[in-house]
Amino acid sequence: EVQVVESGGGLVQPGGSLKLSCAISEFTFSNYWMNWVRQPPGKGLEWVANINPDGSARRHVDSVEGRFTVSRDNAKNLLFLQMNSLRGDDTAVYYCTTGFAVWGRGTLVAVSS
Amino acid sequence: DVVMTQSPLSLPVTLGQPASISCRSSQSLGLGNGNTWLNWFQQRPGQSPRLLIDHVSNRDSGVPDRFSGSGSDTDFTLKISRVEAEDVGVYYCMQYSYWPHTFGQGTRLEI
Repeated sequence: EVQVVESGGGLVQPGGSLKLSCAISEFTFSNYWMNWVRQPPGKGLEWVANINPDGSARRHVDSVEGRFTVSRDNAKNLLFLQMNSLRGDDTAVYYCTTGFAVWGRGTLVAVSS
Repeated sequence: DVVMTQSPLSLPVTLGQPASISCRSSQSLGLGNGNTWLNWFQQRPGQSPRLLIDHVSNRDSGVPDRFSGSGSDTDFTLKISRVEAEDVGVYYCMQYSYWPHTFGQGTRLEI
């Protein structure tokens, strides 16, 4: 069974940085697009970024463009989200998902002074 | 960006009765290659989203057959033939025909 586990969330001050990681097991990771989706507390889902199987193409939603960067390490079955210049409206649970079929439990990022 | 509009936003239902959720997109999701990239997700209280339906009408593995998806162009529907207690939660449609991928606001199904 495929397992997806996010880590790296926490409390950070506005303007700070965090790097989220997502470990995927029992899965041919290098064959699939991977996505990050976030959910602010009590609100709906927002797609944040994705990356193609070999990591040569990536997209980010406009609200994070230039601040967040998605990347992957196919040798280690890892997905990353580097988040810089964090703002209060980035506060959310961040989910990693394998092409939307399998989701992790998410990791909470809280941006506050 | 493609705007996804769901209705209703709140759906009170009776156990054993059918339920239907509408999702409309601000532009056609049908691509020239014949693909329409529209998914439905269920999010139970306190849980991560779960894929129910992909490509408009394909149930994901393990999804009960009381769930069905249909539609085309800009108009899509998720139907539950007979609601069960475990169906309580929020349902989202999502398009990925275009960048950025976008979700509907969510429909809260309650018994």
